[in-house]
Amino acid sequence: DIQMTQSPSSLSASVGDRVTITCRASQSISSYLNWYQQKPGKAPKLLIYAASSLQSGVPSRFSGSGSGTDFTLTISSLQPEDFATYYCQQSYSTPQSFGQGTKLEIK
Amino acid sequence: QITLKESGPTLVKPTQTLTLTCTFSGFSLSTSGVGVGWIRQPPGKALEWLALIYWDDDKRYSPSLKSRLTITKDTSKNQVVLTMTNMDPVDTATYYCAHYFSGAWGNWGQGTLVTVSS
Repeated sequence: DIQMTQSPSSLSASVGDRVTITCRASQSISSYLNWYQQKPGKAPKLLIYAASSLQSGVPSRFSGSGSGTDFTLTISSLQPEDFATYYCQQSYSTPQSFGQGTKLEIK
Repeated sequence: QITLKESGPTLVKPTQTLTLTCTFSGFSLSTSGVGVGWIRQPPGKALEWLALIYWDDDKRYSPSLKSRLTITKDTSKNQVVLTMTNMDPVDTATYYCAHYFSGAWGNWGQGTLVTVSS
């Protein structure tokens, strides 16, 4: 099974900051990496698919990069609505797996 | 517009079988490449992938739960059903169904909290 490890587990930042979250796979997953945002009491929302493709309707301040085992999600200028938990997920092989999450909090 | 909604019991007893139904609209599960699956999230914890069924009836399961899970589809009713046997308190979680296409879970239901307790 492929393990997905996110860092950091939590992060405090201010509105307007540039933020980067990292996700590492235990083996190469090519570009089969997705990023989701989840707010309390809500279902996850797809932000980035195939490592770097922006899902329709998602603001352009979100971007993704990476391939193989190392991936990043970047938020270029944090907005108040971006404070949430972020998960990476690999769809390279079964069983699919998610990272443990990164909780982004207001500083 | 794609929508999905989970339905089923909110409380089950240990050792019982859980049956959840996902009713969806806005897409067809007979379209090539499309899938519907289940992901769960224990309170305060991370997401866990459970199962996926494709348009061609190919089925994939989490190996750690495979012996307890069954996923089926009824294309005419736009429904996918997940059964999980021998429920345990550690299975308490919010269960989500979601639409799967091009390797990503693009649309999710609102989730249903299932509590396992005697």
